[in-house]
Amino acid sequence: DQQVKQNSPSLSVQEGRISILNCDYTNSMFDYFLWYKKYPAEGPTFLISISSIKDKNEDGRFTVFLNKSAKHLSLHIVPSQPGDSAVYFCAVRSYNTDKLIFGTGTRLQVFP
Amino acid sequence: KAGVTQTPRYLIKTRGQQVTLSCSPISGHRSVSWYQQTPGQGLQFLFEYFSETQRNKGNFPGRFSGRQFSNSRSEMNVSTLELGDSALYLCASSLEGGQYFGPGTRLTVT
Repeated sequence: DQQVKQNSPSLSVQEGRISILNCDYTNSMFDYFLWYKKYPAEGPTFLISISSIKDKNEDGRFTVFLNKSAKHLSLHIVPSQPGDSAVYFCAVRSYNTDKLIFGTGTRLQVFP
Repeated sequence: KAGVTQTPRYLIKTRGQQVTLSCSPISGHRSVSWYQQTPGQGLQFLFEYFSETQRNKGNFPGRFSGRQFSNSRSEMNVSTLELGDSALYLCASSLEGGQYFGPGTRLTVT
């Protein structure tokens, strides 16, 4: 049973526009949420995270929003750049563990 | 600071053999986790070590094992390799907040 879902396997966005990647989870016990960017044959690169006590965290062009009641988080990238093209994974974590449960990933393509 | 390092980067083994992969975490990080990435299953958690103790374990058979040393370096071992063990094996270390991944070891079982 998939506890973390990214329902859009791919997303195509024009350079300069906003990219919105979505993630849904099932367990309300998860208390820490992360986004990673990944290129083929490389390890995931940590982008941004948010704890369950917040509903928004911003870092430069990246903003993560958390809606606990809906068990939904999203990553906004604005403005999108061609270098942002990669696979993006959301991940969740429970209190007092480093175990991450990953979503299935969304392939983002930013075109000029 | 140097990032997470993993050795070797690439490995080819045959069925039935065993393999040991190594991970050196970021200096000062005491927690090390291992993940397996395959096209069909995505990123799956293998196990987590903290201060030389396994703190958490994923749903993998006993052929998969690991350990952590006093300097926080970690190894994982897979015995009696099967074709389905072909994957990218990722190690991650953490201190607080996000986990930081190494480049992975690409294991191919033939």
